[in-house]
Amino acid sequence: DTEVTQTPKHLVMGMTNKKSLKCEQHMGHRAMYWYKQKAKKPPELMFVYSYEKLSINESVPSRFSPECPNSSLLNLHLHALQPEDSALYLCASSQDRMETQYFGPGTRLLVL
Amino acid sequence: AQSVTQLGSHVSVSEGALVLLRCNYSSSVPPYLFWYVQYPNQGLQLLLKYTSAATLVKGINGFEAEFKKSETSFHLTKPSAHMSDAAEYFCAVSDSNYQLIWGAGTKLIIKP
Repeated sequence: DTEVTQTPKHLVMGMTNKKSLKCEQHMGHRAMYWYKQKAKKPPELMFVYSYEKLSINESVPSRFSPECPNSSLLNLHLHALQPEDSALYLCASSQDRMETQYFGPGTRLLVL
Repeated sequence: AQSVTQLGSHVSVSEGALVLLRCNYSSSVPPYLFWYVQYPNQGLQLLLKYTSAATLVKGINGFEAEFKKSETSFHLTKPSAHMSDAAEYFCAVSDSNYQLIWGAGTKLIIKP
């Protein structure tokens, strides 16, 4: 089973809203990732958690706040986003950082 | 720094014809190489990966790729295209920090 689930599938929010994206995997993977993907572009790495600790933050603005409550869950808290933050947000997981990454279906975010 | 080049942002083939998607990488050490596929409005699905076990790698859905060190290439092929193969294909290499370096992607168009 190589399933990563993400909720919600779609999200529309205003620039003053606070919302959260959720990612879950039950494969026992110890590395989890957030990516941002704009249309017709490859994914851009945002954050990496390894053994529930934030190991990489690719200079992401503070209006994006990741959280890893346990080894199966990864959240991305959103606050005061800008229209240019509209994109597909992908979660991925891997056995550890050296291993193959498996992606979820993504959350398509629209910021108005 | 490592990089990945995918030749052709769009590739169009007729149904039943050979599919060839090109990927060249730059790496100073033997790399891990991946092909992912992204169907419209979906996440990324792993097609296949090269991890130095064999130069010809077979993946899902009839795709395969051959690692050629002398040419620094990892081209993706499928003998006979199906309409269901229409998607965006991304080649990626794992860098020394185990992060994925992505190509720009190739959109595969299948003509009936």
